[in-house]
Amino acid sequence: AQSVAQPEDQVNVAEGNPLTVKCTYSVSGNPYLFWYVQYPNRGLQFLLKYITGDNLVKGSYGFEAEFNKSQTSFHLKKPSALVSDSALYFCAVRGGATNKLIFGTGTLLAVQP
Amino acid sequence: EAQVTQNPRYLITVTGKKLTVTCSQNMNHEYMSWYRQDPGLGLRQIYYSMNVEVTDKGDVPEGYKVSRKEKRNFPLILESPSPNQTSLYFCASSSPLTGGSTKNIQYFGAGTRLSVL
Repeated sequence: AQSVAQPEDQVNVAEGNPLTVKCTYSVSGNPYLFWYVQYPNRGLQFLLKYITGDNLVKGSYGFEAEFNKSQTSFHLKKPSALVSDSALYFCAVRGGATNKLIFGTGTLLAVQP
Repeated sequence: EAQVTQNPRYLITVTGKKLTVTCSQNMNHEYMSWYRQDPGLGLRQIYYSMNVEVTDKGDVPEGYKVSRKEKRNFPLILESPSPNQTSLYFCASSSPLTGGSTKNIQYFGAGTRLSVL
């Protein structure tokens, strides 16, 4: 069965420092991987996706993610964190032909000024 | 503006009182889905629809109903709500068949926070 794990409930980082939010996955076949962000009282917003191609994927708001097949990981990264990046981040994998997204439990990113 | 609209945003009700949460999208998407979000569990799919008049169960369908009579609308119905259905609900849509570069991206509504007393 397909699954996604986000091992950290919360990540704390100082503004200006690089950030990483971790995600590992388990799928049969080629993975379709996604990162979404949820700001308070808002819906989920798409950040980036990996379908095929380059292992380093660039997305919105300066975020990027690195697909690592051997480690089955898809970590979200940003070179320099902003206070406005503070939000809840979800990693997701598409579950087969139904187009269903299987989500991780989410990681709360807190960027301190 | 392309969007998924849910109503109401907030709802407090009592056990057993039927309710409907509406969802509408203006992107002509074939696929629509309902998720619920609970702390520590992430988002879990309730029901989905691949197109008009085609619906199917997700991972947690018990206690919910849906219908897809028109392409743009996908209401979520709770016939007899119970306290364990207190949650944050999201509707999403996508265009897996014709969306081009966006076809694998799901677009989410702002959410409906439901409390069942």
